[in-house]
Amino acid sequence: QVSLRESGPALVKPTQTLRLTCTFSGFSLTTNGMCVSWIRQPPGKAPEFLARIDWEGDKFYSTSVETRLTISKDTTENQVVLTMTDMDPMDTGTYYCARTPITMVPYAFDIWGQGTKVIVSS
Amino acid sequence: SMLTQSPGTLSLSPGEGVTLSCRASQSALSRYVAWYQQKPGQAPRLLIYGASNRATGIPDRFSGSGSGTDFTLTINSLEPEDFAVYYCQQYGRSSITFGQGTRLDIK
Repeated sequence: QVSLRESGPALVKPTQTLRLTCTFSGFSLTTNGMCVSWIRQPPGKAPEFLARIDWEGDKFYSTSVETRLTISKDTTENQVVLTMTDMDPMDTGTYYCARTPITMVPYAFDIWGQGTKVIVSS
Repeated sequence: SMLTQSPGTLSLSPGEGVTLSCRASQSALSRYVAWYQQKPGQAPRLLIYGASNRATGIPDRFSGSGSGTDFTLTINSLEPEDFAVYYCQQYGRSSITFGQGTRLDIK
């Protein structure tokens, strides 16, 4: 059974760096066509794509926050890590990781984690 | 490319049918358009990918269509569990974007 789970701090201070971990099971990020993305959702607003890493290690970032983001993977631990620098209260929201298996469900996020809530406040 | 969903909110009764609209600011290949359902406190759930393909386990009362800049999600005969927020999403070459959502409320 495919599942993803996000973990990380619930509260960060402005200007700090956020580090989130997505731990997944039921699939491998070494499989051809597999991608894992981070998506966030401010309270009451639409989801916003942040970053994606694929089976070859290629990375793709949202241009709006690209300079603040780094995405990486640890295939032996089945984890994808997102770091976001210089956190601001506007970054408050729920952060999700989600899977895209391009060979099965191209160009969509078929399985999502439950999300982790992050509040940016001093 | 921006996605604009309409209407913002709809109030309907169970048993009614509905069509939700998603308009892209630039023409999108249909295989790059998806639809999601989100209930309070839950992650979005994939309904439709490639504009018209139902995801695994999605009832056939949900259907998607469209091409170019105009895409629609149709729900035939609303069930009580269908009242939620619906988002369209475009997986583009240089960006991945979501619409602002349409909320379906029970009348």
